[in-house]
Amino acid sequence: DSGVTQTPKHLITATGQRVTLRCSPRSGDLSVYWYQQSLDQGLQFLIQYYNGEERAKGNILERFSAQQFPDLHSELNLSSLELGDSALYFCASSVEARTGYEQYFGPGTRLTVT
Amino acid sequence: GDSVTQMEGPVTLSEEAFLTINCTYTATGYPSLFWYVQYPGEGLQLLLKATKADDKGSNKGFEATYRKETTSFHLEKGSVQVSDSAVYFCALDQGGSEKLVFGKGTKLTVNP
Repeated sequence: DSGVTQTPKHLITATGQRVTLRCSPRSGDLSVYWYQQSLDQGLQFLIQYYNGEERAKGNILERFSAQQFPDLHSELNLSSLELGDSALYFCASSVEARTGYEQYFGPGTRLTVT
Repeated sequence: GDSVTQMEGPVTLSEEAFLTINCTYTATGYPSLFWYVQYPGEGLQLLLKATKADDKGSNKGFEATYRKETTSFHLEKGSVQVSDSAVYFCALDQGGSEKLVFGKGTKLTVNP
């Protein structure tokens, strides 16, 4: 158990809909990252928040957005869903170790768009 | 841009066999290198890492050495167990940032 929690575990929805995925980082971790894992694209970095502020952006679609709240939990919002958005979405949080940052991943949310 | 290339899987071994999973990278600057493992139905777990050339990361019998001259970070284990069956991902932090770039993963199955 990494200490990072994600809800829900599974989500099934229809094309055109909007969903919200939730992540709670490990206690004390200020950074939250979102990744998408799909069969064709593999694991891709989407976005990073640090203490409520966006810090880095990756291959995140304009239909997707995220935020980090004062209690440090984060939400990833996916709208106008398409079949190709079906994937596993992972959240990670990080701690700065003596030898640099280490990211710890949650169990993921499996999104199925039908 | 930065990228990671892993050997294609799946890899099937018998228990106690020697394991090598090849990983090479392309990067600007001096990234840190990581191996993550994903057991069935679970998230990714950090297995080991190395932050500079010639560093060796090790954990749970697995080892990998950061080779700058060959831009490689191959994962090795001397004697695999059935419990090592999982998907292994090689990764680097892009431009020394905290953005991880992953390889496509290599599925390992160890048979008793």
